[in-house]
Amino acid sequence: DTGVSQDPRHKITKRGQNVTFRCDPISEHNRLYWYRQTLGQGPEFLTYFQNEAQLEKSRLLSDRFSAERPKGSFSTLEIQRTEQGDSAMYLCASSLLQEEQYFGPGTRLTVT
Amino acid sequence: AQKITQTQPGMFVQEKEAVTLDCTYDTSDPSYGLFWYKQPSSGEMIFLIYQGSYDQQNATEGRYSLNFQKARKSANLVISASQLGDSAMYFCAMEENQGGKLIFGQGTELSVKP
Repeated sequence: DTGVSQDPRHKITKRGQNVTFRCDPISEHNRLYWYRQTLGQGPEFLTYFQNEAQLEKSRLLSDRFSAERPKGSFSTLEIQRTEQGDSAMYLCASSLLQEEQYFGPGTRLTVT
Repeated sequence: AQKITQTQPGMFVQEKEAVTLDCTYDTSDPSYGLFWYKQPSSGEMIFLIYQGSYDQQNATEGRYSLNFQKARKSANLVISASQLGDSAMYFCAMEENQGGKLIFGQGTELSVKP
């Protein structure tokens, strides 16, 4: 399978713990995006990278959130000191420059 | 300000019939792109169709077509010959000025009845 992959698919954590998610994009794609989707809503943009450069961050991305794409390939999204409001589906997508975005299966986070 | 509006929370269609899912958008940018994605219950977002703001003709991809009315700022998705497997959430999204990020609407849940 050469699509976008995300790991883990599900994560249950206690409030206050840190979590890290990984995204592996389609190999030749130079753009990588993170979105968050809560129940009954459309995805909301968090941040995106072009190669290893983080080009834009949403105001939704508080100081507790950090994303990296160190070698321009896979990316990680870390949430520190998780809160119940962080419970959501975290979606990763990748694209070639100015082409359609292809999404991964998502990581569902539940904060108890 | 919300820039993508999908006014139909839920729609029903009989199998083999056509259905139109509404999407209106708001932007002051002359260059933008409009997308439709399908999200089945499994959760993965599946790209369906794309329309660029400068495209003269409506986009088509198999059973999907996009009814693009630029003056009305609408980009409705038409699914012809509905199939049971079309039952899913459908999201309209916009990208402004090739800026990368997508802005999504609230989605429409389509149910196809046998």
